[in-house]
Parts: sequence; C-alpha cells; structure tokens
Amino acid sequence: EPEVTQTPSHQVTQMGQEVILRCVPISNHLYFYWYRQILGQKVEFLVSFYNNEISEKSEIFDDQFSVERPDGSNFTLKIRSTKLEDSAMYFCASSERLSWTKGLFFGSGTQLSVL
Amino acid sequence: KQEVTQIPAALSVPEGENLVLNCSFTDSAIYNLQWFRQDPGKGLTSLLLIQSSQREQTSGRLNASLDKSSGRSTLYIAASQPGDSATYLCAVRPPMDSSYKLIFGSGTRLLVRP
Repeated sequence: EPEVTQTPSHQVTQMGQEVILRCVPISNHLYFYWYRQILGQKVEFLVSFYNNEISEKSEIFDDQFSVERPDGSNFTLKIRSTKLEDSAMYFCASSERLSWTKGLFFGSGTQLSVL
Repeated sequence: KQEVTQIPAALSVPEGENLVLNCSFTDSAIYNLQWFRQDPGKGLTSLLLIQSSQREQTSGRLNASLDKSSGRSTLYIAASQPGDSATYLCAVRPPMDSSYKLIFGSGTRLLVRP
C-alpha cells in the first residue's frame, strides 16, 4: 500500500542551526501538509501546499519556516534558525485531492530535538 | 474557533471488552471527521473517515458514528485486543472552501490488558 515516507526519523541539532526535514508524499497526491506535535500536546497544523505554493499556514509558521517541492517527488520543511521550542515530532501528510475522499495520509514523523 | 475534545483521556480495559471513545467539537460546520491511531513515537494511521453527510463508517471491529448537529463522534471498538493499545485521535476538517487543515483532539490513550 502506498505510504508517505519521511527522513530522517530522528534529527538532533544545535539551537540556531538550520534543519531540513524531508518527505516523499504518495505519488498521485497533489496536496501536501506539515503538522507537528510537541511532546504531550495536540497535533498542530503548520502549512498546506498545492501547485507549488502555500495555500494556508498557521500562526506557528513564521518567517523561520519554509516549504519547498524541489522536484516531482520530495516535499521539504526548512527551519532556518532552530529554537529550543521547535523540538517536536514533525509529520508530513498528503491527500489525493482537495475533497479528501480518502482522507489525509500521514508519514511516520521526524523527531526533532533542538539542544 | 473550532475546539476538539476527547473523553476519556485514558482508558484501561481487559481484553475482549467492547469500548467507546468519545470526541466532541464546538462548531458543527465541518467537512469531515477522521479517526487516527498513534503508537508511541510513531506516525498517525488513519482508521476511519466520515464525511459530514454520513452517519457512520465501519472497518472490521471498528465503527465510527457522527452526529454533526450535536458536535459528537464516537469510535466503537468491538472485542478489544492487546494489539489495540495505542492513542486514538479524532480530527475534524472545517468546510472545504475555508480551510485545508485538520484540527485534532488531544487523544484517548487506550490500554487493553491481556
């Protein structure tokens, strides 16, 4: 069964460093998303992306964050200068179409630890 | 602002028991509702998706119902097994033309004892 793939599964970085989290969405999906979950808290929406542009973003998604689809298969989340509070599990998700007939499919996540 | 609440926060049951997990949302204007399973340190596995026009969906031992007017959904698990132990998350999507995001509850942590 097709799945969303995320790499790396764990990332440790120093505060102030840039990190790039990578995702390969399901191949025929057109809509891509990043969510995050801080330990013990709810899963939170960060950003949605369609047709090579951001379609919606949350207040969390400030100028330190950016997303990109550099080629036909990868979808990346970049954090320019990491803060301690960026430590969280980051989930990539994709959907076939805007109507989500089959729902949203999530990857297994990247655990980001900022020291 | 849409808020999603899940009760109970944690549940421990003996194997074989039927159980119900509850999800409530404050704004009945939703496009759909999705139930997920999350194992510790892992991703989110979609269990069931209910469109706003539907009343229930079934998959194997799982049955999810939706009462949009009262802002409630339940996930019924029949004949629970130790392998069902996980956190169950409920998430709603606002109307399609207004948002692309899912709004999650904080989950119910289920332990099924052998």
